[in-house]
Order: sequence, then C-alpha cells, then structure tokens
Amino acid sequence: EAQVTQNPRYLITVTGKKLTVTCSQNMNHEYMSWYRQDPGLGLRQIYYSMNVEVTDKGDVPEGYKVSRKEKRNFPLILESPSPNQTSLYFCASSLRSVTAKNIQYFGAGTRLSVL
Amino acid sequence: QKEVEQNSGPLSVPEGAIASLNCTYSDRGSQSFFWYRQYSGKSPELIMSIYSNGDKEDGRFTAQLNKASQYVSLLIRDSQPSDSATYLCAVGDSNYQLIWGAGTKLIIKP
Repeated sequence: EAQVTQNPRYLITVTGKKLTVTCSQNMNHEYMSWYRQDPGLGLRQIYYSMNVEVTDKGDVPEGYKVSRKEKRNFPLILESPSPNQTSLYFCASSLRSVTAKNIQYFGAGTRLSVL
Repeated sequence: QKEVEQNSGPLSVPEGAIASLNCTYSDRGSQSFFWYRQYSGKSPELIMSIYSNGDKEDGRFTAQLNKASQYVSLLIRDSQPSDSATYLCAVGDSNYQLIWGAGTKLIIKP
C-alpha cells in the first residue's frame, strides 16, 4: 500500500529536549516536505527536499533541521524545542515538485506539545 | 508576500444543496491549483486539481478556475453530511512551491 508514515503520532516533551519526528514514504517519490498546521493559519511549509541530499527552507524553518540521506526518509529534528513549536506536523511527498502536476500525499500527522 | 485567501467560515449548507467554496490568490504566475479536504484531526486529502481556465468536473465536485481574476472555486453538488470538513485551497506558485489558504470550514446540515 502506498503511504507516508510518520512517527510518533503524539508527543509531549519539555523545552530544550531534542526530538526527532520520522517520515518515510514507500512510493519512490523525489519530493518530500514538512508542514506545520496551527489554528487559523493553514499549512505552513517548514522545509522541503527535491531529492537525496537536496533540502531547502520553507516559510517557517527557524528552530528546525532536516536531512535527506535516503530517498524514502525525511526526518524533522527539533534541536531545542520551545513552546511556540507546539503544533500539528505533517510530512508529505510527491513524485516530483507540485507544479509537475503530481499529487502530494500526506502522512497521518504528529501532534506535538512542548511544555 | 504571496497569498492565498479563503473565507474561514463556517459555511453552513442544507443537505442536498450546492456548496460553493471560493479562493483567491496573489501570484499571477501560478500554474496549478488544488482543493484538499481535511477532516478534523486528520491529514489533508486531494479531491480536485485544475490547471486550465474553465470548469473541471469529477462526480459531485466541480472546480472552476479564472486566471484573469485570480480566482478558483469548488462546487459540491448534492451535499452530504460526510462532506462536512475543512476545505483547503493550495496554489502552485511561480517558484514551484505550494501556497496554502487557511481553509474554509463547511458544515452540511441534515
């Protein structure tokens, strides 16, 4: 089954404690992306990757890191989480960039609370 | 700052009626337009994409695009309670990135 898998689904942590949210896709997609979603603000892109070893900042990259060492995996790293990073996070992938008319598939989401 | 604007709603529509959702965008170079549906606490799922001016129909859904007016809409015919969700408009901009609207909450009343 084609899917994007995120883990964990729910996470409660404390300020400053490093964490990683994993994302994996089994569709051999080149393009992967991380979003955060906050009430009233819609989806905001954090980072994206056009292919292995190619990553770039989205609209809200501050406080986040990513890596793309393998095509299928695109982890999101919060080195020192702060309460303003409490949000719902989505990983997404598509065959190529979105304007190549490729559908973007989303993971189930990770709800993060930073105390 | 490139923007995609949607009325946040909620938009309340009687069951069986037509629901009309609207979206405007600021980047004239945008080439691709998407409507996603998101149930509360779930991930967005694509329901329609449109790339050319005019209408595109898929079952009960019709997407309409007017590039001159920078306007895209989604019509849902014969609305069902299961259509109650937040509808997100996303626009592929001239830099090959998706710009998202904040979404319109749709409520279908039985």
